[in-house]
Amino acid sequence: DVKVTQSSRYLVKRTGEKVFLECVQDMDHENMFWYRQDPGLGLRLIYFSYDVKMKEKGDIPEGYSVSREKKERFSLILESASTNQTSMYLCASSFRSEQFFGPGTRLTVL
Amino acid sequence: AQKITQTQPGMFVQEKEAVTLDCTYDTSDQSYGLFWYKQPSSGEMIFLIYQGSYDEQNATEGRYSLNFQKARKSANLVISASQLGDSAMYFCAMRPTNYGGSQGNLIFGKGTKLSVKP
Repeated sequence: DVKVTQSSRYLVKRTGEKVFLECVQDMDHENMFWYRQDPGLGLRLIYFSYDVKMKEKGDIPEGYSVSREKKERFSLILESASTNQTSMYLCASSFRSEQFFGPGTRLTVL
Repeated sequence: AQKITQTQPGMFVQEKEAVTLDCTYDTSDQSYGLFWYKQPSSGEMIFLIYQGSYDEQNATEGRYSLNFQKARKSANLVISASQLGDSAMYFCAMRPTNYGGSQGNLIFGKGTKLSVKP
């Protein structure tokens, strides 16, 4: 079975902190994605990557950056966390069609 | 613009009855994929079913079927014989072929919260 893991299920940070959210997949997938999920808004794509060191902006990249140094790992970085980045963050990976999701990280920024 | 619309924020269904969750999409692509995911309260996104735009038959996976009407641009999910464990958020998603130059990216609707009553 494909497994996508995320480093934390719950995270609480303070405004201005630098935050790292880690995602690891074990199926050698080319594509990896970061979404945020907010009530009433569904999932919105932040960034995606289709190869090591390759990245592209999604719909809402402002305030975020990403890193993909190894194929299995895709990190989301909040350079200076703000309260409006309080959300559920979901990582996913895919080869062709279906995306496999991690369990999500619920981030609260105080 | 590529878009997924789910017009039902929430729905109730009686246990053992069938329920249809609506999804319409907007794309100018000729080739695209349509997906449904389930998200229980635990937060994990679970893939349910996939329909390709060139598939002539409606996709089925166990109790799930996708009612694909290409001319109407609709891809409704039908759950037969609802169970209490079906209570969850359901998301419709589309993979357009040319989005961002990457294979596999999905555009999601806002979701429908399904509650199954005993």
